[in-house]
Amino acid sequence: SQQGEEDPQALSIQEGENATMNCSYKTSINNLQWYRQNSGRGLVHLILIRSNEREKHSGRLRVTLDTSKKSSSLLITASRAADTASYFCATVERMDSSYKLIFGSGTRLLVRP
Amino acid sequence: EAGVAQSPRYKIIEKRQSVAFWCNPISGHATLYWYQQILGQGPKLLIQFQNNGVVDDSQLPKDRFSAERLKGVDSTLKIQPAKLEDSAVYLCASRKQGALGNTIYFGEGSWLTVV
Repeated sequence: SQQGEEDPQALSIQEGENATMNCSYKTSINNLQWYRQNSGRGLVHLILIRSNEREKHSGRLRVTLDTSKKSSSLLITASRAADTASYFCATVERMDSSYKLIFGSGTRLLVRP
Repeated sequence: EAGVAQSPRYKIIEKRQSVAFWCNPISGHATLYWYQQILGQGPKLLIQFQNNGVVDDSQLPKDRFSAERLKGVDSTLKIQPAKLEDSAVYLCASRKQGALGNTIYFGEGSWLTVV
């Protein structure tokens, strides 16, 4: 089963604009991670935010986490054509010795040059 | 540091045939994962290994899928016989154990088309 649901499913913006993607999840979490997937490629880890953090920055990326609403957002500022990709949020499920990522369905971002 | 290696990158087979995918994780990573990603969806975990033991295979269709990691390093995922709905990308991933192991690293994937 998939834990997170991203919104919107698809987003098309002009280069230079900001892109915001949202993720909602169902159960309590230890941390939440965002991944990028370029077409035909594997997943690349972007950023991890822990449950006791509210905001985190990495370059042009800003991630927020609201555990009371069970939601997170990923903001890409000053977007570039190279940011065109699918973006997935993933929550960590830990049980005994198991540590696994549960992914949402993703947001497909198109940045028009 | 070398990443997660997977092969083959692309495979086309007919339904009812068999196929095997190979994965070599990042050196020193104790945990290895196989995910299935159907086009337009997020990845779904098939199986998780800790060294050479299976930790979670609850979503592996065991009537046709099998996976092993005999020496606790590289791993193979086999599908026999394949069905049309098995067309997907099979992603291998690995994780370092312990406090520094929050990040899971993915390979480029093996793209399977069943016709």
